[in-house]
Amino acid sequence: ETGVTQTPRHLVMGMTNKKSLKCEQHLGHNAMYWYKQSAKKPLELMFVYSLEERVENNSVPSRFSPECPNSSHLFLHLHTLQPEDSALYLCASSPEGQVGEKLFFGSGTQLSVL
Amino acid sequence: LAKTTQPISMDSYEGQEVNITCSHNNIATNDYITWYQQFPSQGPRFIIQGYKTKVTNEVASLFIPADRKSSTLSLPRVSLSDTAVYYCRLESTGNQFYFGTGTSLTVIP
Repeated sequence: ETGVTQTPRHLVMGMTNKKSLKCEQHLGHNAMYWYKQSAKKPLELMFVYSLEERVENNSVPSRFSPECPNSSHLFLHLHTLQPEDSALYLCASSPEGQVGEKLFFGSGTQLSVL
Repeated sequence: LAKTTQPISMDSYEGQEVNITCSHNNIATNDYITWYQQFPSQGPRFIIQGYKTKVTNEVASLFIPADRKSSTLSLPRVSLSDTAVYYCRLESTGNQFYFGTGTSLTVIP
């Protein structure tokens, strides 16, 4: 148990659906992250939030919309996804988002887009 | 972004010591070296971090030579459950969130 909980663990959605991924951390951290990991590929950083403000956005398509209502919760809203968006979506947190901090990851949401 | 190079894959028999070397020729003075472990369908997990010389914890050892242009993660007496992808990362401002391709370690019975 890492202290970072992601729901759901698995999600299957059609291209016209709207769904949301949820992440919650119980570590008192101020920085949270979304990563995407496609099969047999490295982790791709999507978004970084620090104190509920987005500080990094790696040219992610607008069909992915993050939301950070407070420092403990992070959402990824999904709409009109494509089959190539099928991947493992990982949430992570760290104390302040600074160099040298450990990243604590959740177990991820395995997303399949049909 | 600071770049690291590590073998794509390695095999080892159970009970052996495994050493995974990561090259980082352009490491900066303030960079930390951090290793993570990832099992299939799970998020990466922090293993060890160092700056120079040798660091040891209950899971692994990290050897860093004086020039810091490489580092070696050492896993003592691996078991089947150590089969995972191991990521070497350089932690520096602007680069603290990124992961490379990692080394896929397979432990064979």
